[in-house]
Amino acid sequence: AQSVTQPDIHITVSEGASLELRCNYSYGATPYLFWYVQSPGQGLQLLLKYFSGDTLVQGIKGFEAEFKRSQSSFNLRKPSVHWSDAAEYFCAVGGITGGGNKLTFGTGTQLKVEL
Amino acid sequence: DAGVIQSPRHEVTEMGQEVTLRCKPISGHDYLFWYRQTMMRGLELLIYFNNNVPIDDSGMPEDRFSAKMPNASFSTLKIQPSEPRDSAVYFCASRLGTGASGGYTFGSGTRLTVV
Repeated sequence: AQSVTQPDIHITVSEGASLELRCNYSYGATPYLFWYVQSPGQGLQLLLKYFSGDTLVQGIKGFEAEFKRSQSSFNLRKPSVHWSDAAEYFCAVGGITGGGNKLTFGTGTQLKVEL
Repeated sequence: DAGVIQSPRHEVTEMGQEVTLRCKPISGHDYLFWYRQTMMRGLELLIYFNNNVPIDDSGMPEDRFSAKMPNASFSTLKIQPSEPRDSAVYFCASRLGTGASGGYTFGSGTRLTVV
């Protein structure tokens, strides 16, 4: 069964500081990995996705993520956080066959940005 | 493209009443997913359709929940009778293509409160 672990429930960073949100996944085949962001009262917006190829993927709003197969990780990073980045971030894993047609989400990391 | 459209945005109903949530996927997308989000359980997949056919409904909590997709541009999620524990945000998402690589687009959600 596929699963996603986001070990940090809450993270607080100062505006302008760097950010790394952790994500570990479990999947029996080649995973498709995603990061979504959710602002209060809003739906989920896709930040970036990884399917194959270069393990460092660039997304919207200056975010990037690195796929590390050996560590089963897909951590999200941003070099300089803006106050508008405050939101909840979800990592998700899916695949190419069977149950992989559906996304499994982590429990989310709530990001607070201090001015 | 208007994106995935869900209605209503908010629904407050009394316990025992029937509730119907609606979703219009992105035109041309052949997969449709219903997710439920709660504080306790996070994002859970309830059911998904491919070409209007239900493929996996293993996440539907109980017989009180039912979902239909009568055509490619419309889906409903019905709860009858509703209970307070059904209070949650219900998201619809659509996707084009097989496997998770097609990219999921989420609607803004319906916030359901059962009193």
